[in-house]
Amino acid sequence: EAGVVQSPRYKIIEKKQPVAFWCNPISGHNTLYWYRQNLGQGPELLIRYENEEAVDDSQLPKDRFSAERLKGVDSTLKIQPAELGDSAVYLCASSLGRTGGKETQYFGPGTRLLVL
Amino acid sequence: SQKIEQNSEALNIQEGKTATLTCNYTNYSPAYLQWYRQDPGRGPVFLLLIRENEKEKRKERLKVTFDTTLKQSLFHITASQPADSATYLCALGGYNKLIFGAGTRLAVHP
Repeated sequence: EAGVVQSPRYKIIEKKQPVAFWCNPISGHNTLYWYRQNLGQGPELLIRYENEEAVDDSQLPKDRFSAERLKGVDSTLKIQPAELGDSAVYLCASSLGRTGGKETQYFGPGTRLLVL
Repeated sequence: SQKIEQNSEALNIQEGKTATLTCNYTNYSPAYLQWYRQDPGRGPVFLLLIRENEKEKRKERLKVTFDTTLKQSLFHITASQPADSATYLCALGGYNKLIFGAGTRLAVHP
């Protein structure tokens, strides 16, 4: 069984440019999460989807970040415009059920973003 | 606000010894706690979950304890191997959220 797939794995952009990350969760997983992980820190939740509905986006900086999960499968996270402080690893995770973080979360390898 | 503390310094141990990692938290009453392993350049991998009404959980060479009075979890790896070298993250769960600590890096030397 394939795990969570993310692309690209690495991205280098100049500040003020847009960038997008893509995630394909494990088949059958209804819940999808986007996290940001800064160097030496743990992952921090940006947004959580139950199917196609964003049920927790309280930590998403909505002035520059947006996300979508059309058809309740793949998801895209976008930053526009990017700032130097956005340099981090962006992790996507998925889980089976509707109770949010109670089940095991399966993480993708992440996208490492460097903003110059 | 919630605060999770894990040993910020790397833990270095000899192969075959037991590694013990600590996770302390404040201003939170988690319904459960999870431990994840993260290797460089990879996403975290789930290891164990322990609920608030459980004192101890075991899985092969891994053991987790959870003391809600002390607000502390201990994570043990017995008979450690160089392949156990990684960063270990604890995560507090509740209200449909996971809050991660910064992790502790473990290095097991042959």
